[in-house]
Amino acid sequence: EDQVTQSPEALRLQEGESSSLNCSYTVSGLRGLFWYRQDPGKGPEFLFTLYSAGEEKEKERLKATLTKKESFLHITAPKPEDSATYLCAVREAGTALIFGKGTTLSVSS
Amino acid sequence: GAGVSQSPRYKVAKRGQDVALRCDPISGHVSLFWYQQALGQGPEFLTYFQNEAQLDKSGLPSDRFFAERPEGSVSTLKIQRTQQEDSAVYLCASSFQAGNTGELFFGEGSRLTVL
Repeated sequence: EDQVTQSPEALRLQEGESSSLNCSYTVSGLRGLFWYRQDPGKGPEFLFTLYSAGEEKEKERLKATLTKKESFLHITAPKPEDSATYLCAVREAGTALIFGKGTTLSVSS
Repeated sequence: GAGVSQSPRYKVAKRGQDVALRCDPISGHVSLFWYQQALGQGPEFLTYFQNEAQLDKSGLPSDRFFAERPEGSVSTLKIQRTQQEDSAVYLCASSFQAGNTGELFFGEGSRLTVL
């Protein structure tokens, strides 16, 4: 059973059409939930860290939120340059990051 | 350098050959990680170094995989007797913090294709 599940696998949006990506996790003793962005042929780029339920972080058109079982990455009025794969990862005590498979976002103008 | 540098960017190997992948982390970064990313999947942890000490190698898939960081800076991931299932992108990441943190700086990866 996957410990980190991301949905949808792929999402196509029109420019300006807001939406949300989901990351659900089953690990106990969460020591952080992390969002990364990955462009084709590149390594992941760190976006946010969330540590406790109710926490929110924002950066430009992106806002990440966390509950006890899932996190959402909200994208407001996306632009074509927001097209990428968004990876969610969790960390338990004493372990390395466990990544989900990612959501591939395509934004067309 | 300004970022994490990996070489080679692309490597094609015949099954059974040995390969070595190099990672040059950001200067001063204490922690160094290796991840394996198969096509369409998220990165999977291989091993972790704090300075020159390999503190976690639980993700290495077999004894054909070996990693070192002898002087606490540059790291090499070696794969012996490569198999087709080893084909993947190998990502290196570093962090200035000690310990298994989640805020990592990744390189662009080395794409290994085993024929």
